[in-house]
Amino acid sequence: GENVEQHPSTLSVQEGDSAVIKCTYSDSASNYFPWYKQELGKGPQLIIDIRSNVGEKKDQRIAVTLNKTAKHFSLHITETQPEDSAVYFCAASIARGGGNKLTFGTGTQLKVEL
Amino acid sequence: DSGVTQTPKHLITATGQRVTLRCSPRSGDLSVYWYQQSLDQGLQFLIQYYNGEERAKGNILERFSAQQFPDLHSELNLSSLELGDSALYFCASSAGTGTGGQQPQHFGDGTRLSIL
Repeated sequence: GENVEQHPSTLSVQEGDSAVIKCTYSDSASNYFPWYKQELGKGPQLIIDIRSNVGEKKDQRIAVTLNKTAKHFSLHITETQPEDSAVYFCAASIARGGGNKLTFGTGTQLKVEL
Repeated sequence: DSGVTQTPKHLITATGQRVTLRCSPRSGDLSVYWYQQSLDQGLQFLIQYYNGEERAKGNILERFSAQQFPDLHSELNLSSLELGDSALYFCASSAGTGTGGQQPQHFGDGTRLSIL
């Protein structure tokens, strides 16, 4: 089955700096890649997603890039703010037989320091 | 607020017991998913239902079962509970089934299950 690896496991940046989180996936049939932000005591919140027919997508300070050949995708957060501190998860999905399960990476604890 | 409602927020019970977790999807969403989050296993997919029918299954234990009712709410039943079942259980919902392109999944805030 699909396997998603995520790096780094922890990331500390200064406020205003950029943060980059990287993921690789194993199944070349994966075609949907969402990113989630999880704050303490809350469920994962979808922040951006990308489909396999697109190489890059941007939403304000957040961008995601996808390299299908290398089977990796990355989350870029610019001008980081303290409220960006959270755990971030990447995920991959294959539409198969009407099913739509997400396989998640192991998460990145992002800390934005003042 | 994602619009996905899970109850209860916390559940404490003993080994060998049975519990039921409930999920109400976002208005208009037909698919419901259940995930388990634990420190050692991370976020793991359990099962998906679409409009009352099972659509995908992950590594869900035989002691666990789920269903989706005609009003589209879903329940996850966990029986013969073991200490290792202590985890956060999340429900997510999406508009479609995955055919013709995946729809974003939106998560509730979970049920924290503690087995004593």
